[in-house]
Amino acid sequence: QKEVEQNSGPLSVPEGAIASLNCTYSDRGSQSFFWYRQYSGKSPELIMFIYSNGDKEDGRFTAQLNKASQYVSLLIRDSQPSDSATYLCAVNSNAGNNRKLIWGLGTSLAVNP
Amino acid sequence: KAGVTQTPRYLIKTRGQQVTLSCSPISGHRSVSWYQQTPGQGLQFLFEYFSETQRNKGNFPGRFSGRQFSNSRSEMNVSTLELGDSALYLCASSWGQGSPGETQYFGPGTRLLVL
Repeated sequence: QKEVEQNSGPLSVPEGAIASLNCTYSDRGSQSFFWYRQYSGKSPELIMFIYSNGDKEDGRFTAQLNKASQYVSLLIRDSQPSDSATYLCAVNSNAGNNRKLIWGLGTSLAVNP
Repeated sequence: KAGVTQTPRYLIKTRGQQVTLSCSPISGHRSVSWYQQTPGQGLQFLFEYFSETQRNKGNFPGRFSGRQFSNSRSEMNVSTLELGDSALYLCASSWGQGSPGETQYFGPGTRLLVL
């Protein structure tokens, strides 16, 4: 079983819709969770991180964390064609200096004009 | 503030050769992590260096090695290249303090093709 799982997609949504991206993880000791966006041929860039249960909002993006269900999601409101990319979920499984990020394979999102 | 830089950006090598990739982190960042990215395996963690010491290591063979210098710049070396080593190699830097929200910032990557 993979430690961090994401639906590979592609997830296709119309422009202006809400895109919902999901990620599950296996290590109950995981402490912080990151969403990165990666455009084709580019390197990953951070969208946001979350480490407390509940929702965290940043502009059009909302991260949701449920540690009991070992589930983290990313909602993108008012999706734009420029949001078309692969979204990577990363989970920090250890505290302090033994931190190692475990990555999902990513979900490909296509926003159609 | 300048971002993470990696050199070279592209490399073509043949099987059996060795290669050295370089990464300069964001100024002030002391942690450098290296990843291999391939379409089928995604981002695979190679190793992390902090203050010139390898702090963490992924599950890669000993052909993959690295080091970090006193200015936090890092190099990784792959010896006896195999076809399967063809990948995008990404370097990421961070402060290295291990706080919950500490973010890794990625360089543009080095695309290695082994023929």
